[in-house]
Amino acid sequence: KAGVTQTPRYLIKTRGQQVTLSCSPISGHRSVSWYQQTPGQGLQFLFEYFSETQRNKGNFPGRFSGRQFSNSRSEMNVSTLELGDSALYLCASQEAGDPGNTIYFGEGSWLTVV
Amino acid sequence: QKEVEQDPGPLSVPEGAIVSLNCTYSNSAFQYFMWYRQYSRKGPELLMYTYSSGNKEDGRFTAQVDKSSKYISLFIRDSQPSDSATYLCAVGLIQGAQKLVFGQGTRLTINP
Repeated sequence: KAGVTQTPRYLIKTRGQQVTLSCSPISGHRSVSWYQQTPGQGLQFLFEYFSETQRNKGNFPGRFSGRQFSNSRSEMNVSTLELGDSALYLCASQEAGDPGNTIYFGEGSWLTVV
Repeated sequence: QKEVEQDPGPLSVPEGAIVSLNCTYSNSAFQYFMWYRQYSRKGPELLMYTYSSGNKEDGRFTAQVDKSSKYISLFIRDSQPSDSATYLCAVGLIQGAQKLVFGQGTRLTINP
């Protein structure tokens, strides 16, 4: 069974640009969530999608958005990039969005904003 | 005050030592407790999870939760160089289980 797949793995963007990151969850998993990891703030929850609906949202500005498709694949978008958006963006999937089902993380997308 | 506090270390111990990693959390509503291991430039890997106070053992790893003190621990017995990684504690609510709150992570090095 393939794991959580995130693309691209590494990317460099310029301030003011926008970026779209993609996540393919484990087959059969319908819940996908996104996290941002930085040395200063650690791992922080961005949002969660379940059956194409955003179910939970963290404390990030509206520049951070996401969506989920009918096949459970998810994308997140960051508009008007700032230097502070440089981070590892992690996607996690879970079988049914219920406790007791293991949450699996992908390898992450490393975003550098210059 | 952060919702989850974890000593970032770094922590360096000799091979074979018992390692103790600890976190405290502030919200008694958290009911779901996890430990993740993260190797350099990799995503976090779930080591253990539990819902209840007490100990849960898996091989060389033991997770301990004390809900009355809002304190969670991970013990690693017979530590190996391959255990060198960053260890992250995480807590969550039963409702909205994917909205995990993570500790800062403790960087652990096991010296041969």
